[in-house]
Amino acid sequence: LAKTTQPVSMDSYEGQEVNITCSHNNIATNDYITWYQQFPSQGPRFIIQGYKTKVTNEVASLFIPADRKSSTLSLPRVSLSDTAVYYCLVGAGDTGRRALTFGSGTRLQVQP
Amino acid sequence: ETGVTQSPTHLIKTRGQQVTLRCSSQSGHNTVSWYQQALGQGPQFIFQYYREEENGRGNFPPRFSGLQFPNYSSELNVNALELDDSALYLCASSQPGQGNNEQFFGPGTRLTVL
Repeated sequence: LAKTTQPVSMDSYEGQEVNITCSHNNIATNDYITWYQQFPSQGPRFIIQGYKTKVTNEVASLFIPADRKSSTLSLPRVSLSDTAVYYCLVGAGDTGRRALTFGSGTRLQVQP
Repeated sequence: ETGVTQSPTHLIKTRGQQVTLRCSSQSGHNTVSWYQQALGQGPQFIFQYYREEENGRGNFPPRFSGLQFPNYSSELNVNALELDDSALYLCASSQPGQGNNEQFFGPGTRLTVL
């Protein structure tokens, strides 16, 4: 299984763009990169998934370089409600049918 | 569309007791996964059920067992509780094969073992 490394914590202010980078040097050819968000006392929530280049949805963007050994989750103009733990996961793309392997995540604290 | 629900919300047990946690999957989802999340850590996979059959298991002892019912709801049973079993237990449902393959998590059950 591809191991992921991400910063333990990050601080930001409202309105700023936040970029969280995840390293996954041993990513396999068939692996996808998936990000989940977890608020206190809630279950994780799917944010975005990608295989290569750039993926964008209404919540975030995911940037994946050509070698795929890292990825960056970009949150535009964060607000206080974006304070949460963000997890980077690497594995098969059909995340509905397989076990999700979570690391310790990145704790993002957004301040006013 | 009803989301994933779990019961109870909180539970306090003593060491050696047994506990049953319940999960109702999101409407239309036939797969349920259970995770254990210790304080300050990411969720750890316990097992997954697909159409009432166990479909994968993580590194948890046999005293962690489960069931899935015909309506796809599920139970997690833990026997001979230990202090280290204190954690947030998360249930996630999914419907593999459809366009959106993500797992949808419930709010969790907070188990405290004294």
